[in-house]
Amino acid sequence: EVLLLESGGGLVQPGGSLRLSCAASGFIFTNYAMNWVRQAPGKGLEWVSSISGSGDSTYFAESVKGRFTISRDNSKSTLSLQMSSLRAEDTALYYCAIRDTTVTTNWGQGTLVTVSS
Amino acid sequence: QPVVTQSSSASASLGSSVKLTCTLSSGHSSYIIAWHQLQPGKAPRYLMKLEGSGRYNKGSGVPDRFSGSSSGADRFLTISNLQSEDEADYYCETWDTNTQVFGTGTKVTVL
Repeated sequence: EVLLLESGGGLVQPGGSLRLSCAASGFIFTNYAMNWVRQAPGKGLEWVSSISGSGDSTYFAESVKGRFTISRDNSKSTLSLQMSSLRAEDTALYYCAIRDTTVTTNWGQGTLVTVSS
Repeated sequence: QPVVTQSSSASASLGSSVKLTCTLSSGHSSYIIAWHQLQPGKAPRYLMKLEGSGRYNKGSGVPDRFSGSSSGADRFLTISNLQSEDEADYYCETWDTNTQVFGTGTKVTVL
C-alpha cells in the first residue's frame, strides 16, 4: 500500500522558515517525480513544486520561486520542502503527492502551515 | 500553459447521476487530465486519469459508479447512483512543461 506521511507543519511568524517532510513507502520512490500541492483555507488546490525521480530537476510555482526549495533523499524515501520568507498567503494545508508521468496519482494526508504573528 | 475550467457547483438527487465537466483551454484539447475528490478532514483521493480518446484508468478502490469520458476539449466525470458519501469537491488537473495545473473545483451536493 502506498503511504505518504507529511510532517513539519505548524505556526510560524511572517518572514520565518519551516521545513516540511514527507515519508514515503509502498512504492519504488526513485521511480517517481514528486509534487507539493497546497490548499489555502476556503480555496482550491495550488501546485507548489515538483522534483524529478533522481532529484536532478526541480520546478516551482511563481508564487514561491526563490523562497521555497524542494529536495529528496532517495536512500530514505523522503521528500522535503524548505520554506523561507514565509507570508500570510502561504498559510495552507500542504500535501505531498506522487506524480505518475503527468498527473498526481497519490496523496498524503497533509500538514498545516499557519503564517501569522 | 493550459487552463482548465470547471463549473463551481453541481447537485443531484440521491441515487441519480451527475456529470461534471472540465474544459481544457485552446491548443490543449488533447491533454490528459486527472480527477480528484476532496472531502473535509480526509486526504484527497485520486479518482482517475482520463485521455482525450475517452480512455480512463481509475485509482485503486474507486467504485464502478465513477466513470470518465471525453469530447474535444471537454473531460467528463460521471457519478452514477449518487451516494451521500459522494458529496465533495472535485478537481481536475493537467500538466504541461513541468507545471501542474488544477481547475477551480466543482462542489457536488447530494440532494
